Amino acid sequence: EDQVTQSPEALRLQEGESSSLNCSYTVSGLRGLFWYRQDPGKGPEFLFTLYSAGEEKEKERLKATLTKKESFLHITAPKPEDSATYLCAVQVSRNTDKLIFGTGTRLQVFP
Amino acid sequence: NAGVTQTPKFQVLKTGQSMTLQCAQDMNHNSMYWYRQDPGMGLRLIYYSASEGTTDKGEVPNGYNVSRLNKREFSLRLESAAPSQTSVYFCASSEVNQPQHFGDGTRLSIL
Repeated sequence: EDQVTQSPEALRLQEGESSSLNCSYTVSGLRGLFWYRQDPGKGPEFLFTLYSAGEEKEKERLKATLTKKESFLHITAPKPEDSATYLCAVQVSRNTDKLIFGTGTRLQVFP
Repeated sequence: NAGVTQTPKFQVLKTGQSMTLQCAQDMNHNSMYWYRQDPGMGLRLIYYSASEGTTDKGEVPNGYNVSRLNKREFSLRLESAAPSQTSVYFCASSEVNQPQHFGDGTRLSIL
């Protein structure tokens, strides 16, 4: 069964304290891995797509990486405005339209 | 640029009542999706439409029906609402192998 697991469930950081969020997956064939950010009361907002092991993408203080079993979202010197829930989703080869989502990591960054 | 628009934003129903959630996108995307988001469960796919005139079941379709009215609009209907359908419902749209873009959700409570 295809499965996506995110850890930790929640993370509290001091402003400037770098850390990483994990997304591990077991799927029959990975076509793409997506990272989204979700603010309270809003829909998920697209951040990155990764397609193959070794690939990296960066945007401001965020960097996403991918291996054959997991993806990391690295947050460097976070600011309070980075506080949000970060969602990971995988697109599997046998059905390219569907995404399987993890349950997310709720990040709080304190000044 | 509105993106994906969902109406209503909030709704309270009594058990057994029916209602339709509306979704419209202005990005000329072929694919559209309906998800529900529950605490600890992540986003789960209810139905999707790969193109105008086609619809397919997702992971949790029971109790729901959908209509792809045209390329822009994709509605979700609850024929006889049950308390288990209390959730936040998100609509999304995309092109094939492109990221899905989400609306801001409909918060539905069923008493």
